Amino acid sequence: GAVVSQHPSWVICKSGTSVKIECRSLDFQATTMFWYRQFPKQSLMLMATSNEGSKATYEQGVEKDKFLINHASLTLSTLTVTSAHPEDSSFYICSAKSPRNRNQPQHFGDGTRLSIL
Amino acid sequence: GENVEQHPSTLSVQEGDSAVIKCTYSDSASNYFPWYKQELGKRPQLIIDIRSNVGEKKDQRIAVTLNKTAKHFSLHITETQPEDSAVYFCAASKAGGGADGLTFGKGTHLIIQP
Repeated sequence: GAVVSQHPSWVICKSGTSVKIECRSLDFQATTMFWYRQFPKQSLMLMATSNEGSKATYEQGVEKDKFLINHASLTLSTLTVTSAHPEDSSFYICSAKSPRNRNQPQHFGDGTRLSIL
Repeated sequence: GENVEQHPSTLSVQEGDSAVIKCTYSDSASNYFPWYKQELGKRPQLIIDIRSNVGEKKDQRIAVTLNKTAKHFSLHITETQPEDSAVYFCAASKAGGGADGLTFGKGTHLIIQP
């Protein structure tokens, strides 16, 4: 079945550092990918929709200059958390869907646990 | 935008009994309703989904019902087993779950008592 790979799975860095997270669709092309954030013991919240070859669409309250999204190819979307601070520590999960079959559900990556010291 | 409410937040049932989790949604344009199971530190796993043109769907011990008029949908797990213990999320979206991202409920921590 369709697989979405996310890297890295875990990152710890100092406050002020920028961190890039990659989301790859391994066996299908994804024109649209989604980025979610999940704080401990909370639900998943949609941050933005990543569209191949165009600008991402951000949800209300999500700073586009803080969370940079690049979807340069049909198999790769990246999320860069710029100048990360402790409050950005969270579980970031991407998902993707093959455009060939609109009835197929989204496939989630394994997530990236980000800890900012 | 869409708002999904999920109840209860915690549900404890005896092994072998049934568990029911309920969700309501606000956007009548939503037409895709998946349920996910998430174990600690792992990605959400799709366990069952239903589209707005169907009222009920069943897969072995798991079933989902949808009432479009009332804008609510429910997850039913029968003959619960210890491995069913996890956090369950309902979600809603439009456009067949593809073009739009998912709006999740707050989750239900299901505890199966041996």
